[in-house]
Amino acid sequence: DAGVTQSPTHLIKTRGQQVTLRCSPKSGHDTVSWYQQALGQGPQFIFQYYEEEERQRGNFPDRFSGHQFPNYSSELNVNALLLGDSALYLCASSLSGSQETQYFGPGTRLLVL
Amino acid sequence: DAKTTQPTSMDCAEGRAANLPCNHSTISGNEYVYWYRQIHSQGPQYIIHGLKNNETNEMASLIITEDRKSSTLILPHATLRDTAVYYCIVRVARDDKIIFGKGTRLHILP
Repeated sequence: DAGVTQSPTHLIKTRGQQVTLRCSPKSGHDTVSWYQQALGQGPQFIFQYYEEEERQRGNFPDRFSGHQFPNYSSELNVNALLLGDSALYLCASSLSGSQETQYFGPGTRLLVL
Repeated sequence: DAKTTQPTSMDCAEGRAANLPCNHSTISGNEYVYWYRQIHSQGPQYIIHGLKNNETNEMASLIITEDRKSSTLILPHATLRDTAVYYCIVRVARDDKIIFGKGTRLHILP
């Protein structure tokens, strides 16, 4: 049973570019949440997707957008990259309404130059 | 903002019990206490959670005070692989967003 997977593992971009990160949830999970973790800080909630719609959103600008597909996988898109967007981006999946907690993937490390 | 307060760092000798404290004095009656840990450069890993009773699983034990204003995570026999940042979190719904604080950096010493 595969856990949460993310791709790519590492990525280097330049300021102003756009990036797309991908996440496949744990088998049986239908909810995907995205987090940004800057160096030395705890993860910060970006948004959560359920039934292909954004259900909750943290304090992130509109440059951060997402999508969830019918198979529950998800993408995180960041436009007009800034140096401050350099971080570890984490995806977590869960089953809505269940007793289970969120399970995290290994993350994608993004470096913006 | 995170609703928990944890020490910045702690040391524990290998083989001894590691006791990690957490204060959550403003916890609501329907909020659970969750613990996650994050080993360097990996995603956070779920450890345990509880509402008001003490809980134990294969990884750890969670002791919650009667007034629920604080809790302690216990790793009974710490190993070097337990070196990580440990996050104490309070939250209502199981699929609600997780608000992380800065956690406790636990060093297991050989």
